[in-house]
Amino acid sequence: DGGITQSPKYLFRKEGQNVTLSCEQNLNHDAMYWYRQDPGQGLRLIYYSQIVNDFQKGDIAEGYSVSREKKESFPLTVTSAQKNPTAFYLCASSIRRESETQYFGPGTRLLVL
Amino acid sequence: KQEVTQIPAALSVPEGENLVLNCSFTDSAIYNLQWFRQDPGKGLTSLLLIQSSQREQTSGRLNASLDKSSGRSTLYIAASQPGDSATYLCAVRLFSGTYKYIFGTGTRLKVLA
Repeated sequence: DGGITQSPKYLFRKEGQNVTLSCEQNLNHDAMYWYRQDPGQGLRLIYYSQIVNDFQKGDIAEGYSVSREKKESFPLTVTSAQKNPTAFYLCASSIRRESETQYFGPGTRLLVL
Repeated sequence: KQEVTQIPAALSVPEGENLVLNCSFTDSAIYNLQWFRQDPGKGLTSLLLIQSSQREQTSGRLNASLDKSSGRSTLYIAASQPGDSATYLCAVRLFSGTYKYIFGTGTRLKVLA
């Protein structure tokens, strides 16, 4: 089955701790994205990558970091510098063409202890 | 800066009713517009993708229209069913050569049996 997987489904972060959210896809897509969703708000772009070993900041990159060492993987690290990390995090991927749709993973809910 | 607005924020209708969800955007220079469905605590599922050169797309009971000049799109749902209850989000892909989507805040739909 082709698709996008995110793990874990729920993640708890302690004060001052860095945590990493996993995103894997087997769709052979070049582009991958990380979004944050807060209640009552639309999705906001954190980082995106159009190709391996390259990524760009989105609209709310502060306090987050990413890597893209493999085509199928795009992990997101929420650092201690992110002061309000509680949110629903969604990973997506697409073929690297403007006309193509984005496919989304099931999401990770991050909570602060 | 592109802004995407969806009105109403929430909608309740009786089963069987035809309904229209609205999406407006401020900059008409878009590559495409996409409608998504999101069930509570889940990722997004693509419903319809309209290219900038198209006026509408249809899939089953769903029809989406696009009027770039007025910065508006509508999602028409015919003969609504309780299973249609979800949050519906629209997103526009920017014309800037990047692969970024700007999302609206969504319309939360409840279809009453």
